[in-house]
Order: sequence, then structure tokens, then C-alpha cells
Amino acid sequence: DTGVSQDPRHKITKRGQNVTFRCDPISEHNRLYWYRQTLGQGPEFLTYFQNEAQLEKSRLLSDRFSAERPKGSFSTLEIQRTEQGDSAMYLCASNQKPGDGNTEAFFGQGTRLTVV
Amino acid sequence: AQSVTQLDSQVPVFEEAPVELRCNYSSSVSVYLFWYVQYPNQGLQLLLKYLSGSTLVESINGFEAEFNKSQTSFHLRKPSVHISDTAEYFCAVSEWDRDDKIIFGKGTRLHILP
Repeated sequence: DTGVSQDPRHKITKRGQNVTFRCDPISEHNRLYWYRQTLGQGPEFLTYFQNEAQLEKSRLLSDRFSAERPKGSFSTLEIQRTEQGDSAMYLCASNQKPGDGNTEAFFGQGTRLTVV
Repeated sequence: AQSVTQLDSQVPVFEEAPVELRCNYSSSVSVYLFWYVQYPNQGLQLLLKYLSGSTLVESINGFEAEFNKSQTSFHLRKPSVHISDTAEYFCAVSEWDRDDKIIFGKGTRLHILP
């Protein structure tokens, strides 16, 4: 296993367009997280999954954001009608549910979104 | 819900001097605690973690952190820093009793002075 993979690594889009990012977690991990990170800030929690179930979505997250993990493996994060304020690095991470083994979260390299 | 406070956004320190990066958390249940490091233009990687047992945990590159339950702290220390330690350091917490998500602090930028 090569770790958590994210695609694309970079995305430039025009304001108002929709974008979709993909994350492939470490195969044996049952939890998958999405975070957003802007310059000089820590990763801000967006949402997370236990297998295919979405456990929580941040209250700060606009309805324009949606995430899925249909088969409990890879996940997609879609942003509709993008705004300049959506420009950030979008990070995916995965780990095992506490009690199932290693709780350390492994991060992907991120997708850098620029909205112009 | 849990939260993490990193009191210093930037810490300048001379090379070979000791350093402490402070982290306090807020939670009403038992927690796992983590320090992650992000080197310039790189992704986040785990530096060390506290799950249970000994309250003092160490990394392979000389950092250590001590879990203090009464003070709800998990400060990171290194007795002698090197220029290669220049990075952003993030403290994180997970409430294992509630099977909850991992929440990060805002980070502390460690700036090593020659």
C-alpha cells in the first residue's frame, strides 16, 4: 500500500464552476476524513466517514459542499458553484476507528484548489 | 466537543537551544493526543502520539511530549534544535470514549535562527 492518494494535486477553476476531488485511503482503514487547510492555519475538519457512513459534517460547511464514500473505499468531495473563498488545500486522511487498532491518521498530499 | 489551543503561532529559537511548543486541549472524556509536523512544501506527518500508558512519549528525532491530564496539556519539547527542525507543528486530539474525529490546533511555526 502506497498510502493515501489524492487526485488531482492541483485544480484551478473559475468562480461558479463545480469541482470534484478524489481520495483513496489506505486499504485497511475504515475511517476517512476530509480537512481544509489555508495558509498559516491548521487543518480544519470538514467531514468524516466510518466505512460508507458519513458520521459528521462540520456546521461551518456550506451546503455547496458534499462528500460521498459509496463503497467504503475511495471518497469524493464535491464543491458546487465555487467561490474565491473556497481556495485552499483540501486534505484527506484515513485511520482505523479507535479500538480497532492504530488510530494514527495518515494524510494524503492534498489537492490545492485555486478559484479565479 | 473537543478543542485544541496552541498558544504560540510562531516560536523563534536559536540553533542548539531548547524549545517547548505548548498545546492545551479541552475535553470531558479520555483522549488520544498527537503532534504532527509539516515541513515546507510537504504533507502532514505524525511526529508522536499518546494513546495510553507512559505519559512521556518520544519521537525518533529527539522530540518528546508529556501528557498532563490535570493541566489538560501535551507540550512538545526538544533539548537542542537543529535547522532541519524548521517546520509547522500541529497538536491534535481525538476523544476515544466518544469514538470521535481528530481535531487540530492552528499550528506553531518553529523558526530556527542561525
